[in-house]
Amino acid sequence: QVQLQESGPGLVKPSETLSLTCTVSGGSISSHYWSWIRQPPGKGLEWIGYFYYSGSINYNPSLKSRVTISADTSKNQFSLKLRSVTAADTAVYYCASDTMGGFDYWGQGTLVTVSS
Amino acid sequence: QSALTQPASVSGSPGQSITISCTGTSSDVGAYNYVSWYQQHPGKAPKLMIYDVSNRPSGVSNRFSGSKSGNTASLTISGLQAEDGADYYCTSYTSSSPYVFGTGTKVTVL
Repeated sequence: QVQLQESGPGLVKPSETLSLTCTVSGGSISSHYWSWIRQPPGKGLEWIGYFYYSGSINYNPSLKSRVTISADTSKNQFSLKLRSVTAADTAVYYCASDTMGGFDYWGQGTLVTVSS
Repeated sequence: QSALTQPASVSGSPGQSITISCTGTSSDVGAYNYVSWYQQHPGKAPKLMIYDVSNRPSGVSNRFSGSKSGNTASLTISGLQAEDGADYYCTSYTSSSPYVFGTGTKVTVL
């Protein structure tokens, strides 16, 4: 059973960089797609980007200028950095895998609040 | 890339069937058979219910079914049960951004 766990600061100041890590157990990030998805409080889901085991990385065009996704296969982790954050970036951030054509495994999510 | 359009809310009585639509364009829903559906209860992570338009992951009840016609995908829940009350989201592969989510639908079991 694949398990994902997000970790990182729950509070980030405006204009700074949000950094999160997803640790994967029960499976290897050296296969399939690994995504970051967020959900502002009371709102819908937004796909941020993915890391593909071949090394390919793809981003939501609306966030592309501020986002970097990277992976450390030796630690079985992948990470998200979102620069120049504002209050609009306050959300629950999820990491998720796509092994079958849909996001089949999800982390529990972590709330990141952007506030001074 | 605009979000896929879903009705804000759908309701039904126990035992009834309901259908949630997910309308996109010829660049997303209409172009690819990569539509998936998610159920989300309050405070929980979404759960995959349907992938590749009409396939159910292992463990998902066969009361949930998916289909697609043109630019619109649909999720049908038959034999509605109290625990089906949740938010539901569709997503599709797109030509401009690998994934786009729907606006979300709140299902209420009366």
